[in-house]
Amino acid sequence: KAGVTQTPRYLIKTRGQQVTLSCSPISGHRSVSWYQQTPGQGLQFLFEYFSETQRNKGNFPGRFSGRQFSNSRSEMNVSTLELGDSALYLCASSLVQGSNNEQFFGPGTRLTVL
Amino acid sequence: TQLLKQSPQFLSIQEGENLTVYCNSSSVFSSLQWYRQEPGEGPVLLVTVVTGGEVKKLKRLTFQFGDARKDSSLHITAAQTGDTGLYLCAGDNQGGKLIFGQGTELSVKP
Repeated sequence: KAGVTQTPRYLIKTRGQQVTLSCSPISGHRSVSWYQQTPGQGLQFLFEYFSETQRNKGNFPGRFSGRQFSNSRSEMNVSTLELGDSALYLCASSLVQGSNNEQFFGPGTRLTVL
Repeated sequence: TQLLKQSPQFLSIQEGENLTVYCNSSSVFSSLQWYRQEPGEGPVLLVTVVTGGEVKKLKRLTFQFGDARKDSSLHITAAQTGDTGLYLCAGDNQGGKLIFGQGTELSVKP
């Protein structure tokens, strides 16, 4: 089975711009979660989608949004980028039922905001 | 707010040494997972512990879940350079969110 894929792998933007990141989960996995990873804050949960619905949300401002499509692929969007949004954005998929919420991560998208 | 505290944050040892990483919380988790992350990659799941007092072994790695399901430890025997990486613990609070510890950066020198 192919793993979780994320595109693009690297992205450079300037303050005020917006960005869309994409994630394709493992085939058969219906839950997709997004995390932000920075050296100072570690791995922080952004949100989780299941069956095209946001099921859980972390403590991030409304500039961070996401969606999930009927094929379980997911996108996250960050609007009005700030310098502090520079981070590794990780997507993870999960089988959900009977899986103890075990996450299978993609390689991440490295976002740099200048 | 549920928190998972990992210690130590950084660990630099010689090949062949043993080490233990701790993951502590004041909250009870239904399960706890350990991940390892290498530079430029996403975390990779190593193990999930579910039952209080559970011990799981993965080659030279031994994972233990505390009796009260609030803490966990990872012990590596005879560390190798290939063990180098960021070790993360994550607790499942059954609210749908995984709570991650800050991570332990392990460097094993030859």
